[in-house]
Amino acid sequence: GENVEQHPSTLSVQEGDSAVIKCTYSDSASNYFPWYKQELGKGPQLIIDIRSNVGEKKDQRIAVTLNKTAKHFSLHITETQPEDSAVYFCAASVLNNAGNMLTFGGGTRLMVKP
Amino acid sequence: ETGVTQTPRHLVMGMTNKKSLKCEQHLGHNAMYWYKQSAKKPLELMFVYSLEERVENNSVPSRFSPECPNSSHLFLHLHTLQPEDSALYLCASSQGLHDPLEKLFFGSGTQLSVL
Repeated sequence: GENVEQHPSTLSVQEGDSAVIKCTYSDSASNYFPWYKQELGKGPQLIIDIRSNVGEKKDQRIAVTLNKTAKHFSLHITETQPEDSAVYFCAASVLNNAGNMLTFGGGTRLMVKP
Repeated sequence: ETGVTQTPRHLVMGMTNKKSLKCEQHLGHNAMYWYKQSAKKPLELMFVYSLEERVENNSVPSRFSPECPNSSHLFLHLHTLQPEDSALYLCASSQGLHDPLEKLFFGSGTQLSVL
């Protein structure tokens, strides 16, 4: 089955700096790669996603890049703010008998210091 | 608010107790999921329901028993749990299962402690 590795597990940056989180996946058939943000006491919420036929997508201060050949994708957050502090999860979608199922990475705890 | 509501938010139970977790979605979705989130582990998919039928059981022990009486409600019945079952249990929903661009909407979870 699909395996998603995420690095780093923790990341501390100064407010205003950029943060980059990287993920690799194993199944070349995966075709959808969402990123979720989980704040303390809440469930994960989708913040951005990318399809396999797109190399990069941007939404204000966040962007995601995908390299299908290398089977890795990354989340970039620019001009970080304290409210960006959270745990971020990458995921990859693979089709099985039941339908499209997401496999999640282990998460990155991002801390933005004011 | 994500449109997915889970109760209770916190639950402490003994190993011999029986309890149930409840999830309700107000999004008109057709698929619902249970995930387990333990410290330092990826989110683990437990069960998937599509149109009230279970379509995925990810090798979950029988002490966890899901129930989906309709497309808006999902329960997780718990009995004779072990301390290692202590975790955050997350419910999620999606429009369907077969759209390759499926988006999951999560509830806030039930933090379960088994003593």
